[in-house]
Amino acid sequence: EAQVTQNPRYLITVTGKKLTVTCSQNMNHEYMSWYRQDPGLGLRQIYYSMNVEVTDKGDVPEGYKVSRKEKRNFPLILESPSPNQTSLYFCASSPLWGNNQPQHFGDGTRLSIL
Amino acid sequence: SQQGEEDPQALSIQEGENATMNCSYKTSINNLQWYRQNSGRGLVHLILIRSNEREKHSGRLRVTLDTSKKSSSLLITASRAADTASYFCATDSGNTPLVFGKGTRLSVIA
Repeated sequence: EAQVTQNPRYLITVTGKKLTVTCSQNMNHEYMSWYRQDPGLGLRQIYYSMNVEVTDKGDVPEGYKVSRKEKRNFPLILESPSPNQTSLYFCASSPLWGNNQPQHFGDGTRLSIL
Repeated sequence: SQQGEEDPQALSIQEGENATMNCSYKTSINNLQWYRQNSGRGLVHLILIRSNEREKHSGRLRVTLDTSKKSSSLLITASRAADTASYFCATDSGNTPLVFGKGTRLSVIA
């Protein structure tokens, strides 16, 4: 089944403790992206990647890192999480870079930073 | 950055009625997409309309685009309880990432 898989789905952690949210897609998509969703603010893009070893900042990249060492995986790294990073996070992919491409979303990761 | 704004923020209708949601944006776009999000799940792509198109259909969905008014509408006909979800528009203007609006919460009451 074609899908975008995020792990973990839920995580409660403390300020400053490094964490990684994994994202994997099995559709051989070139483009992958991370969003955060907050009440009243909608979805905002954190980082995106047009292909392996190519990443770029979205609208709200501060406090996050990403890597794209292989096509299927696009982990989101919070080196020193803070409470303002408490949010619902989504990974998405599409076959190619280009905005005439539908995005395929994972089911989300709910992070709580205490 | 440009952003689609959905209207209304929330909509409650009876099963079988039609639901109309609107999206307005600020600058010229290349494409506009609509997505659905069920509670606790990821977004699901519904339909894409290009700037040179005025209307598209997909099953019970009808999307219109008026570039002169910088607005789009999503019509769901003969709504069902399973249509209860949040609906988002997303816009782009060429080589920029998609920008999502804040969504319309639709409740369809059986």
